[in-house]
Amino acid sequence: GENVEQHPSTLSVQEGDSAVIKCTYSDSASNYFPWYKQELGKRPQLIIDIRSNVGEKKDQRIAVTLNKTAKHFSLHITETQPEDSAVYFCAAIVSGGYNKLIFGAGTRLAVHP
Amino acid sequence: DGGITQSPKYLFRKEGQNVTLSCEQNLNHDAMYWYRQDPGQGLRLIYYSQIVNDFQKGDIAEGYSVSREKKESFPLTVTSAQKNPTAFYLCASSNQGNEQYFGPGTRLTVT
Repeated sequence: GENVEQHPSTLSVQEGDSAVIKCTYSDSASNYFPWYKQELGKRPQLIIDIRSNVGEKKDQRIAVTLNKTAKHFSLHITETQPEDSAVYFCAAIVSGGYNKLIFGAGTRLAVHP
Repeated sequence: DGGITQSPKYLFRKEGQNVTLSCEQNLNHDAMYWYRQDPGQGLRLIYYSQIVNDFQKGDIAEGYSVSREKKESFPLTVTSAQKNPTAFYLCASSNQGNEQYFGPGTRLTVT
C-alpha cells in the first residue's frame, strides 16, 4: 500500500542553526504534500505545503522542496528558535479521490538555546 | 479554533464499554477524518468520509464505527472489540485537494 517514510525520527540543533527533515513517498500519482507541526498535547497545524507543479516553496524561515522524480520532499527551517521545538509530520495525498493523506511517523525537533 | 471541535477533551471508560467521541465542524467542508495517535507515533487513519451517508475504512478500522448523517458531524464509536483503545484521537476536515484542519483532540483512557 501507500507509504511515507520520514527521517530523522529525532533532531537536536542549536538555536540559530538550520534543520532539515526528509520524506519519501511511494504513490507516484501523489500531488499534494503538507507539513504539520504538533506541539505537546496539541493538534497538528499546517505550516507549509507544496503541490507537484512546483519544486520549492518558501515562507519566511521555512521552505519545502520537492523532487517528483525521486519521490522525495524535504522541510528546511533556517535560523531555528526554541519555539520551533515540536514534532513535525510530513504527509502525501493518496491518488484516487477522498483527499486521503498518509502521514510520516514524525520528527521530534529540539532547539537548544 | 479553526471551526472544528471535539468533545470531551478527556474521557475515561472501563474496559468492555463502548464510547462515542464527538466531532463537529462549521467550515462547510465535505470531507471528515478520524485519526488515532499513540505516544511518540504518527497519525493513523481510522475512518474517513467524503460526503454525507458515505464513509470508508482507513488503515486501522477494526473495533471502530462511524456515522455521517449530517455534513457537520462525524462521531466515532470505540467499541469493546478494540483491543487497545487508550490513545489520543484527532478529527479533521477538508475540502477536496486542500489542507486538513484538525480538531483539538480527545484523550481516551480505558482501564
